Amino acid sequence: QQQVKQSPQSLIVQKGGISIINCAYENTAFDYFPWYQQFPGKGPALLIAIRPDVSEKKEGRFTISFNKSAKQFSLHIMDSQPGDSATYFCAASILYNFNKFYFGSGTKLNVKP
Amino acid sequence: DVKVTQSSRYLVKRTGEKVFLECVQDMDHENMFWYRQDPGLGLRLIYFSYDVKMKEKGDIPEGYSVSREKKERFSLILESASTNQTSMYLCASSLYGGGGRTEAFFGQGTRLTVV
Repeated sequence: QQQVKQSPQSLIVQKGGISIINCAYENTAFDYFPWYQQFPGKGPALLIAIRPDVSEKKEGRFTISFNKSAKQFSLHIMDSQPGDSATYFCAASILYNFNKFYFGSGTKLNVKP
Repeated sequence: DVKVTQSSRYLVKRTGEKVFLECVQDMDHENMFWYRQDPGLGLRLIYFSYDVKMKEKGDIPEGYSVSREKKERFSLILESASTNQTSMYLCASSLYGGGGRTEAFFGQGTRLTVV
């Protein structure tokens, strides 16, 4: 049973458009929600993260929207660029429970020039 | 600069062989993890360790074991490799989770092919 469900599996966006990736979770004990970005041949790297006490976090063109009551969170990439083409993973963890990360299934983003 | 280093980028092994995947981190992190990455399934946790000689099973531990004799080194062992263990293996490390520093750092991955 997957703890974090992610959609869509793949996404094609034109340069300058908005990319949106969604995730949902069931375990209300999760208290840390990061997004990771992975380029081909590399390990995932932290992109942006949020705690459940805020509804939105923005870093440059990347924004996490968090809906605690719906148990959903999403990544928005504004003004998408070809260099953003990568696989994105959402994740969730319980900080006091050894900080184990549970990952979504991943979204392959392709930003067309 | 923080670093998680996996000993091999690519490995090809035969069915039935005992396989060792090595991971070293230089950040003095308590936690270390082994994940398996397969298309459409994301990253699935195999084992993790929160201290030297301590280990806990993840979601898919069958067919694997681990060893952590030193804080900086975490090894994944495939006791008898099978073709369904062909995959990308990712090692990660993190602090325990307190102090606000929660990021997991990943190695570059080992692509294992079992023939």
